[in-house]
Amino acid sequence: QQPVQSPQAVILREGEDAVINCSSSKALYSVHWYRQKHGEAPVFLMILLKGGEQKGHEKISASFNEKKQQSSLYLTASQLSYSGTYFCGTLMNRDDKIIFGKGTRLHILP
Amino acid sequence: DAGITQSPRHKVTETGTPVTLRCHQTENHRYMYWYRQDPGHGLRLIHYSYGVKDTDKGEVSDGYSVSRSKTEDFLLTLESATSSQTSVYFCAISEVVLTGFRNGYTFGSGTRLTVV
Repeated sequence: QQPVQSPQAVILREGEDAVINCSSSKALYSVHWYRQKHGEAPVFLMILLKGGEQKGHEKISASFNEKKQQSSLYLTASQLSYSGTYFCGTLMNRDDKIIFGKGTRLHILP
Repeated sequence: DAGITQSPRHKVTETGTPVTLRCHQTENHRYMYWYRQDPGHGLRLIHYSYGVKDTDKGEVSDGYSVSRSKTEDFLLTLESATSSQTSVYFCAISEVVLTGFRNGYTFGSGTRLTVV
């Protein structure tokens, strides 16, 4: 049931764009995205509900394709502060618990 | 930010001893969770709670038990610690918002547990 994230790791230069994908084999109610910096706790970025809505947070946005059970996180004009590990988490219904993917490590070079 | 604290922050214990980790919240949130984080595995759910005395197992619950006698406290016990339970443990809380869906999780700062 664990969602699959790709790529496992990304190295970018500041100002470049990145896309992180998350896919599930199960029908989903919602998808969460979190960012974790080294030695810190994961921090909630955004939630997407089934219906294909796209949400945004600063220069970070995400989409959810309900039919394909896939979500993508878009980081535009990346900044040094975007470095960290990004996790997607999936729920199959409102009262479900989050099952997290293994994470995508993002490293931004100056 | 939501008030959630974990204690202790670091602990070293010997194989075979029982260990209890505490998660305390001041937000009166209904939902509480324990995850463990290991390299290459991401965050894996150990146990969760939907209210006082209402708990259930997650995907990696063997060797762990939990208790929630008050809304604000969620305790995780390693009944007899093993080296495979060396990990970083995170507690998280969430709540259903007015629009009906569950809000994002807020995580505690984590407990780094080493079993020797």
